Amino acid sequence: DAGVIQSPRHEVTEMGQEVTLRCKPISGHDYLFWYRQTMMRGLELLIYFNNNVPIDDSGMPEDRFSAKMPNASFSTLKIQPSEPRDSAVYFCASSASGRAVHEQYFGPGTRLTVT
Amino acid sequence: AQSVTQPDIHITVSEGASLELRCNYSYGATPYLFWYVQSPGQGLQLLLKYFSGDTLVQGIKGFEAEFKRSQSSFNLRKPSVHWSDAAEYFCAAQNYGGSQGNLIFGKGTKLSVKP
Repeated sequence: DAGVIQSPRHEVTEMGQEVTLRCKPISGHDYLFWYRQTMMRGLELLIYFNNNVPIDDSGMPEDRFSAKMPNASFSTLKIQPSEPRDSAVYFCASSASGRAVHEQYFGPGTRLTVT
Repeated sequence: AQSVTQPDIHITVSEGASLELRCNYSYGATPYLFWYVQSPGQGLQLLLKYFSGDTLVQGIKGFEAEFKRSQSSFNLRKPSVHWSDAAEYFCAAQNYGGSQGNLIFGKGTKLSVKP
């Protein structure tokens, strides 16, 4: 069974450019989370979805960040325009309701570098 | 405010030695508790979790953790460390009965293993 899939694994872009990160959750999972990891702030939850609906986006740092989940098997995190301080590793995670609730499965992450 | 503290940023142990990684939480009520491991360049993998019941929980890869309510602690242990255990370890907590998104991570403890 495939785990959470993220693409690209690495992204290098220039300041001001638009960046789109992609995530495919584990099939059958109805929760999807986006996290950001930096040395200074550790792991921070940006936003999460339940059944494709955004539930809490209070962690999204600014209006430059947006996330969508058009269907149960795909989500995007977009940064427009990007800034050097957005450089971080972005993780997507998913979990399922029911017995395995609260167990989040993480993707390998996208390392974003904004120059 | 709710928080998870991992007092040790970096620990080095010899291969074959025992290991204990510390984790303390600050919550109004006993939360769900987790330990995750992150190998270099990888996402986070769930090692074990505590929801209720037996305060000593077993996880994967030979790890165990003990919940101590009186100390607000959930320390991770392994009797004999292998070189492959070198990684970063994150303790996390989530409100009992709370929303899926309210998972708070500690800053992590990096484990190095000496041959």
